[in-house]
Amino acid sequence: GESVGLHLPTLSVQEGDNSIINCAYSNSASDYFIWYKQESGKGPQFIIDIRSNMDKRQGQRVTVLLNKTVKHLSLQIAATQPGDSAVYFCAENDTGANSKLTFGKGITLSVRP
Amino acid sequence: DSGVTQTPKHLITATGQRVTLRCSPRSGDLSVYWYQQSLDQGLQFLIQYYNGEERAKGNILERFSAQQFPDLHSELNLSSLELGDSALYFCASSVDILSPLHFGNGTRLTVT
Repeated sequence: GESVGLHLPTLSVQEGDNSIINCAYSNSASDYFIWYKQESGKGPQFIIDIRSNMDKRQGQRVTVLLNKTVKHLSLQIAATQPGDSAVYFCAENDTGANSKLTFGKGITLSVRP
Repeated sequence: DSGVTQTPKHLITATGQRVTLRCSPRSGDLSVYWYQQSLDQGLQFLIQYYNGEERAKGNILERFSAQQFPDLHSELNLSSLELGDSALYFCASSVDILSPLHFGNGTRLTVT
């Protein structure tokens, strides 16, 4: 399949371990944050979102943590599986302004069997 | 399947030419967004439409234009193509600005 082809940082984890993917965002006015997963040959796929009035949100096997003080976002994946291998992007949005969703550079998650 | 449909999947054309990329949003979504993903720039926001009207503009070149039609599908027109325009072009849609974007699988444009 097609690859994104970006020279991205890579996080390598053992299957079954927990993964933590970190993201620093730039706009202190951002109030809505989303994590996306992009597999080879596909578009970004929504994983989980969080609004600025929260600091933690849980989904199925995923947790997003938001630290507005240091403008930091993280995605935790429990019991990482081979199917989790992909490029992960965080995205931020200042919904009070022009509603432009801005993406970070992305991190490649590689799951070792 | 996100419900967002993009055509064509692949497009190969020569410098100087003009192409049109098409997007059908998810049923019920009024907002359409266009993004460009290239090797060294990541996902770059181009333009957003909401219910037929331009809502936000990003780093979209003057050679590029877009529109959203009454049936809510959108087209991205790229003209006077240059080698550097080779990239993946994604369309996304959402119900509103407070909801997540759902992406199509993109159109890979190759300019030779």
